[in-house]
Amino acid sequence: QVQLVQSEAEVKKPGASVKISCEISGYVFSDHGIHWVRQAPGQRLEWMGWINTATGNTKYSQSFQGRLTITRDTSASTGYMQLNSLRSEDTALYFCARWYGEKALDYWGQGTLVTVSS
Amino acid sequence: DIQMTQSPSTLSASVGDRVTITCRASQSISVWLAWYQQKPGKVPQVLIYKASSLESGVPSRFSGSGSGTEFTLTISSLQPDDFATYYCQHYNTNWAFGQGTKVEIK
Repeated sequence: QVQLVQSEAEVKKPGASVKISCEISGYVFSDHGIHWVRQAPGQRLEWMGWINTATGNTKYSQSFQGRLTITRDTSASTGYMQLNSLRSEDTALYFCARWYGEKALDYWGQGTLVTVSS
Repeated sequence: DIQMTQSPSTLSASVGDRVTITCRASQSISVWLAWYQQKPGKVPQVLIYKASSLESGVPSRFSGSGSGTEFTLTISSLQPDDFATYYCQHYNTNWAFGQGTKVEIK
């Protein structure tokens, strides 16, 4: 069955970077893009960016331009999201999700909590 | 960037009620609109994709309609399991979520 398993929770200081992994199973990694979405406590879902897992091409939300890098390791069937220059407002639950074409984001990782605190 | 605006932000309803949530796009997005349900502490789940297509396994009381800039999600008869937050999302070329609609028990 399709699964997206994310790395464990992280606690970071302001100004630091965080890198979260998303390992997939149950389908061919390069067949579907991976998106990253975050949700601050009690807040809305916020789209961050995505990677075409076949080509490595990426697209980012303007809100994160310059701070966000999404990569992938096809041999490990894993996607990565790195966010730099963290601030307290980046405290959130970060999700990866599979893009299944016209079916939008059909499978999601369990979420990784990132806490930014001095 | 395309902006997605949902209304209302909160909706109070009773079991058995017909519920409608609206999502408006700041410019035409054709039919590239999905609806998700999220319960507290849970991962979002897609209900509707391409504006009106029901995801496999989703109860038929959920339906979606619209195209261009205005879309609706309708729950024909609200069930106890349906109290949750609902998000619309534009996808395919650009990506953006609405701010969410919380459906509460009246």
